[in-house]
Amino acid sequence: NAGVTQTPKFQVLKTGQSMTLQCAQDMNHNSMYWYRQDPGMGLRLIYYSASEGTTDKGEVPNGYNVSRLNKREFSLRLESAAPSQTSVYFCASSITLGLGETQYFGPGTRLLVL
Amino acid sequence: DQQVKQNSPSLSVQEGRISILNCDYTNSMFDYFLWYKKYPAEGPTFLISISSIKDKNEDGRFTVFLNKSAKHLSLHIVPSQPGDSAVYFCAASEGNTDKLIFGTGTRLQVFP
Repeated sequence: NAGVTQTPKFQVLKTGQSMTLQCAQDMNHNSMYWYRQDPGMGLRLIYYSASEGTTDKGEVPNGYNVSRLNKREFSLRLESAAPSQTSVYFCASSITLGLGETQYFGPGTRLLVL
Repeated sequence: DQQVKQNSPSLSVQEGRISILNCDYTNSMFDYFLWYKKYPAEGPTFLISISSIKDKNEDGRFTVFLNKSAKHLSLHIVPSQPGDSAVYFCAASEGNTDKLIFGTGTRLQVFP
């Protein structure tokens, strides 16, 4: 039982390049999330998916797209990377969306955009 | 506008003593609060939570206190251990939005 896995662990991009961050969970959770963590900013929600087939914007969605491929997988795409997107990205999942539902986080992807 | 604030970026405590981490919030509609712990190069892990209908929740060495009138919560770790050295994030949610709002984190260092 691996929990939440993310690939890659680390990536360097040039401005304007595109890439997809992959996330998968094996806990049969319905809800999945993408966050970014920046120094002095805490974790900020980019997009979330309450269930397979649905996605919604979070606090900072600009410059990103997501795909809930199936119940297990939730990917985050940067179509044209910018230096402001240099960050650590965390994927998380929970049984459902709801009051007090614990979110389980992956190990993170560190992205550097030059 | 930061709705959840952790005003102390760092805290240093001697092993065996009490660690107190503080968190303030501005949104009176928040009704559930959580603490997450994060080690370097790992994702955050859930530590303890409290509903707004309670003022205290205890789990082993960890206790969270909620003061709704002051919009303040705190995490107490007693006794502190070197393995507790990590970054601690406070988070809050509002029932009808289902999203977590995180604070900026407090780095705790427990020294021997």
